[in-house]
Amino acid sequence: DAKTTQPNSMESNEEEPVHLPCNHSTISGTDYIHWYRQLPSQGPEYVIHGLTSNVNNRMASLAIAEDRKSSTLILHRATLRDAAVYYCILRDSNYQLIWGAGTKLIIKP
Amino acid sequence: NAGVTQTPKFRVLKTGQSMTLLCAQDMNHEYMYWYRQDPGMGLRLIHYSVGEGTTAKGEVPDGYNVSRLKKQNFLLGLESAAPSQTSVYFCASSRTSGQAYEQYFGPGTRLTVT
Repeated sequence: DAKTTQPNSMESNEEEPVHLPCNHSTISGTDYIHWYRQLPSQGPEYVIHGLTSNVNNRMASLAIAEDRKSSTLILHRATLRDAAVYYCILRDSNYQLIWGAGTKLIIKP
Repeated sequence: NAGVTQTPKFRVLKTGQSMTLLCAQDMNHEYMYWYRQDPGMGLRLIHYSVGEGTTAKGEVPDGYNVSRLKKQNFLLGLESAAPSQTSVYFCASSRTSGQAYEQYFGPGTRLTVT
């Protein structure tokens, strides 16, 4: 099963862009890269997903390396409400998502 | 539109007691999931269901049973609770299990087993 590696925590200033990295060197050719986030004391929330091309939605952008062994979630202008744990996720052999410990994003006012 | 709801929100059990957690979704999703989350860790899949009347084991199924008698409901049962089952339990649903899908999560149930 493919695994992901993320930094334990990151800090950023409010209203600045945030780049959250994820390594997935054993990703298979058909695995989508999913990002979820979990605000304190809440259930996880879908952020974005992609396969090969960069993706944008109202919440974030996803930049995927050409070899697909890494990706970066980009929050263009972080707010205090973006403070959360961000999970970069791949699937397992049964097509289910495998969750790591994620990156705790701290936003400084 | 309520999305995914879970009951109860909190529960304290004594070792050996049993209980059932209820998950309901109003999005007509085929797939439903039960996860547990221990402090400082990501989610681990307990059981999942690909449709009404079908269930399958996830990563950590021991000590739990599930049932999906109606499409909108997914029940998680603990027959004999153990302190190791102290955790936050999340239910989720998705339209399909295809690669390009998203899961919608409930608010969680915080369970303490003493």
